Amino acid sequence: KNEVEQSPQNLTAQEGEFITINCSYSVGISALHWLQQHPGGGIVSLFMLSSGKKKHGRLIATINIQEKHSSLHITASHPRDSAVYICAVRSRETSGSRLTFGEGTQLTVNP
Amino acid sequence: DGGITQSPKYLFRKEGQNVTLSCEQNLNHDAMYWYRQDPGQGLRLIYYSQIVNDFQKGDIAEGYSVSREKKESFPLTVTSAQKNPTAFYLCASYPRGLGYGYTFGSGTRLTVV
Repeated sequence: KNEVEQSPQNLTAQEGEFITINCSYSVGISALHWLQQHPGGGIVSLFMLSSGKKKHGRLIATINIQEKHSSLHITASHPRDSAVYICAVRSRETSGSRLTFGEGTQLTVNP
Repeated sequence: DGGITQSPKYLFRKEGQNVTLSCEQNLNHDAMYWYRQDPGQGLRLIYYSQIVNDFQKGDIAEGYSVSREKKESFPLTVTSAQKNPTAFYLCASYPRGLGYGYTFGSGTRLTVV
């Protein structure tokens, strides 16, 4: 079993829909990251969380440390949100500030 | 603007040849990382370095080598010993101790022909 599990693997939505991507992890963490990867391959860091909730524009990220679960929400989705969204955790047990990544969620938003 | 530069974006290599992927950052970050991405899999750590002249193996270091002679640079060599080198390679950096997020490069897609 992977240390970081994301769901769903693939998600198709219509423009304007509210989207939720989930991430569960099995290790103690010092931080959780949400990343966005566009078709060209480059990765952009969206959020770094250690507790609570963060909001940036139409994106909201939440984390429940006790339940080892995080969600990424996109409100009023738009075709330009189409990308792969990746959850990654920095484990307290590993050295070097290493990240462990989920397999990603491919989001497609249709106009 | 500060960031990470990876070059080249696309690279073709003949089987049996070594090839070096470049990663340069001007963020003054201490830690740098090389990850490999294969279709349908999460990123996997190849090597990382927390300070100049020091680096550690990640989860899939076999067939790869690195150096960290300068803080700004962390090149990755894919050697002929790497059995399945065709993949997408990402470099990242992290400002240890500052609590900020990671910065990623735009990646190099390596194809062995």
